[in-house]
Amino acid sequence: DGGITQSPKYLFRKEGQNVTLSCEQNLNHDAMYWYRQDPGQGLRLIYYSQIVNDFQKGDIAEGYSVSREKKESFPLTVTSAQKNPTAFYLCASRPRGGRDDEQFFGPGTRLTVL
Amino acid sequence: AQKITQTQPGMFVQEKEAVTLDCTYDTSDPSYGLFWYKQPSSGEMIFLIYQGSYDQQNATEGRYSLNFQKARKSANLVISASQLGDSAMYFCAMREATSGTYKYIFGTGTRLKVLA
Repeated sequence: DGGITQSPKYLFRKEGQNVTLSCEQNLNHDAMYWYRQDPGQGLRLIYYSQIVNDFQKGDIAEGYSVSREKKESFPLTVTSAQKNPTAFYLCASRPRGGRDDEQFFGPGTRLTVL
Repeated sequence: AQKITQTQPGMFVQEKEAVTLDCTYDTSDPSYGLFWYKQPSSGEMIFLIYQGSYDQQNATEGRYSLNFQKARKSANLVISASQLGDSAMYFCAMREATSGTYKYIFGTGTRLKVLA
């Protein structure tokens, strides 16, 4: 089955620790995106990548880092510099020339920093 | 700057009735796409419907239709014959293209509650 996987579903970390969120897709999509969602809010773009070994900052990139070494994978690291990292994180992908430019989303990771 | 506005934080609708969720947008790009997503309490984002800026007709997908009024820059979602399972958050989003890259902007969402 093709799709996007994010692991783990729930993640707990101590304040000051870096943590990496996984995002893997087997849809052969070129573009991948990371969003942050706070309670009662919409999605805000953290980073996005249109192609392997290339990525751009979104609207709230401070305190986050990414890599895109493989087409299938786009991990997000939440660093200790991120002041308020507790949130719901969603990964998405989009095929080149996809139907209606639709994004496909993973199930999300809920990060809680204690 | 491009922007999506959803002015209804919450809505109630009686089961089997129709409901309209409002969305207005602002962009200077002549080519854009508008989307609606449903987010149940589980958190997944479910694609509902898409409208391209050059599409002449309003988009429809089953019980979902998009009331696209380009001059007013509005893209309201209409859900007909509401079901209890429609209770969820609904997000309007816009695709913007900048220097060949595609980004998406989301509104703050509308929480819909369907009453039995």
